[in-house]
Amino acid sequence: DADVTQTPRNRITKTGKRIMLECSQTKGHDRMYWYRQDPGLGLRLIYYSFDVKDINKGEISDGYSVSRQAQAKFSLSLESAIPNQTALYFCATSGTGSDSPLHFGNGTRLTVT
Amino acid sequence: AQSVTQLDSQVPVFEEAPVELRCNYSSSVSVYLFWYVQYPNQGLQLLLKYLSGSTLVKGINGFEAEFNKSQTSFHLRKPSVHISDTAEYFCAARRTGNTPLVFGKGTRLSVIA
Repeated sequence: DADVTQTPRNRITKTGKRIMLECSQTKGHDRMYWYRQDPGLGLRLIYYSFDVKDINKGEISDGYSVSRQAQAKFSLSLESAIPNQTALYFCATSGTGSDSPLHFGNGTRLTVT
Repeated sequence: AQSVTQLDSQVPVFEEAPVELRCNYSSSVSVYLFWYVQYPNQGLQLLLKYLSGSTLVKGINGFEAEFNKSQTSFHLRKPSVHISDTAEYFCAARRTGNTPLVFGKGTRLSVIA
């Protein structure tokens, strides 16, 4: 079983719909992240959480919200999806040290029509 | 803010030839550096990381990278590539302290038979 699990793997939705992407982890890490990947733009940070009571905006948080339901769960919501939110979304976790690498899920491919 | 520049968006190379993927980071203060690889339809996997000490870092799959503080570079190399190395490669950096990881835009390596 994967250490970082994202659901769904693929999702097609219509403009204006609310959608939630879910992430769960079994690594016991306190830190969790949501990134968005677009061709030619690399990975851009949407939100991150260093523990259950900590939520921080990343580089591109507009149009998104998050919820850290437990140490192991971190969900990303699009309140009203728009076509330019079509992208590949990754959840990641890390330990607390600055030298700790990220561990990624397999991604959710979201298409907004 | 930390920034990471990957100088080549695409690198084609023949099988068994050497390859270098270039990465420069913006800060000369203490920084941790990482290379990740993304195979098609997968999340990112850690290739190697530089934390401190020896400037030559060896990673998985025969890759290595050299940290050059004066040039603020962390180029990735492999002396002989295989078809299976075809993937996208991301350089990332983080300053010490509670700052999130910043990624470059990626380099797509295509190995030609």
